[in-house]
Parts: sequence; C-alpha cells; structure tokens
Amino acid sequence: DAKTTQPPSMDCAEGRAANLPCNHSTISGNEYVYWYRQIHSQGPQYIIHGLKNNETNEMASLIITEDRKSSTLILPHATLRDTAVYYCIVRAPNAGGTSYGKLTFGQGTILTVHP
Amino acid sequence: DGGITQSPKYLFRKEGQNVTLSCEQNLNHDAMYWYRQDPGQGLRLIYYSQIVNDFQKGDIAEGYSVSREKKESFPLTVTSAQKNPTAFYLCASSQQQGTAFFGQGTRLTVV
Repeated sequence: DAKTTQPPSMDCAEGRAANLPCNHSTISGNEYVYWYRQIHSQGPQYIIHGLKNNETNEMASLIITEDRKSSTLILPHATLRDTAVYYCIVRAPNAGGTSYGKLTFGQGTILTVHP
Repeated sequence: DGGITQSPKYLFRKEGQNVTLSCEQNLNHDAMYWYRQDPGQGLRLIYYSQIVNDFQKGDIAEGYSVSREKKESFPLTVTSAQKNPTAFYLCASSQQQGTAFFGQGTRLTVV
C-alpha cells in the first residue's frame, strides 16, 4: 500500500485559506487520493478524492501534482468548525486484484482554525 | 434516511466477556469495514468484507471476529482474547471502488 506523509499539525486564521499538504511518493497509477476529516469523537467525514486531475466540490479543492507524488487539500475560507484531524489516504487494490480497496489511515494533520 | 448506524454509542464490558458491536447500512453497499482508533492515533483496519459471506483480516484482527450473513449488516465481536479492547470502533461501507462512508462509532470501555 502506498504510504502518505502529512505534517502533524497546522494553524489557520478564520476566513483564510487552509492548505494541507500530503506526500504519497509511492502511489500506484490506479490509486486514488482521498481526503477525510474527523472531528473529535465522531466518525471520519468524506471530503474529496481524485486520481490525477484537480477536483473541486462544495467543501474543498484538491490539487494533485503532475507526477502524482503529492497533493494539497484547500479549504478556501476556513471556519472554526473546520478544526479537525485531516487524513490523506491512497486507496490500494486488494490482494485478490478486485476493485475493492482498503483505506489505510495514517496519523493525519490536526488543523486548528483560530479567530 | 440513508446511512450507517452503529450501536450502541457507548459500551461497557467486564474483563473476560465477549461483546458484539452492531453496524447496519442501508446504502446498498457491497463492502464493509471495521476500524479501531486509540486516543491520538489514526484508524487501524480490523476486518473488511467485500461481499456477503466473505471477509478478510485487516492489520489487527487478533482477538476479533466478524460475520457477514446479510448485505446490510457486519457485526464485530470483541472476544476475551483481545488483550486491550478499550478503544473507539468505527464501521464503514463503500460500493466497489466508491467512496467509503463511516458511522459515528462505538466507544468500548473494559471495566
């Protein structure tokens, strides 16, 4: 499985953009990059995912480098409610070669949004 | 209302007892997963199931057992063989390569 590396923590001022980096230098060609976030004592919440093109939805934007070895999650206007642990994950094919993939979580980045 | 339901939210167990955590989904997803989370840590995969009547061990399956008799349900049993069962347990489901969605978790405490 491809491993991901994220900074352990980041701060962001309310109303500013939060840019969360993730390195996944061993990613395979068919693996997607997923982002989830987890607020304390709740289940992880899906944010966005992509393969090689940049993606945007109502929550965030995902920028993937051309070599796919890293990506950045952008929260364009962070609010206090965006304070959470953000996980960057690459989805691995299972051992049998089917399309179901395990989600392997790392330590994530603790994002703190302050007033 | 579609989603994944885990019950109960809080569970207490005496040492040496088995306990079963419930996970139900009405999303018509084929795949289901169980994760364990310890304080300040990421999620670790216990078991996953790609289809009814089939499941595979994850990274930390020892002391746990699962069944997948119905598509909607994937219960996890924490057995007395699990040496450190106190943790936050999370269930998820997905449709083939689709996005995985998580329940709100069950916090198990051994007393």
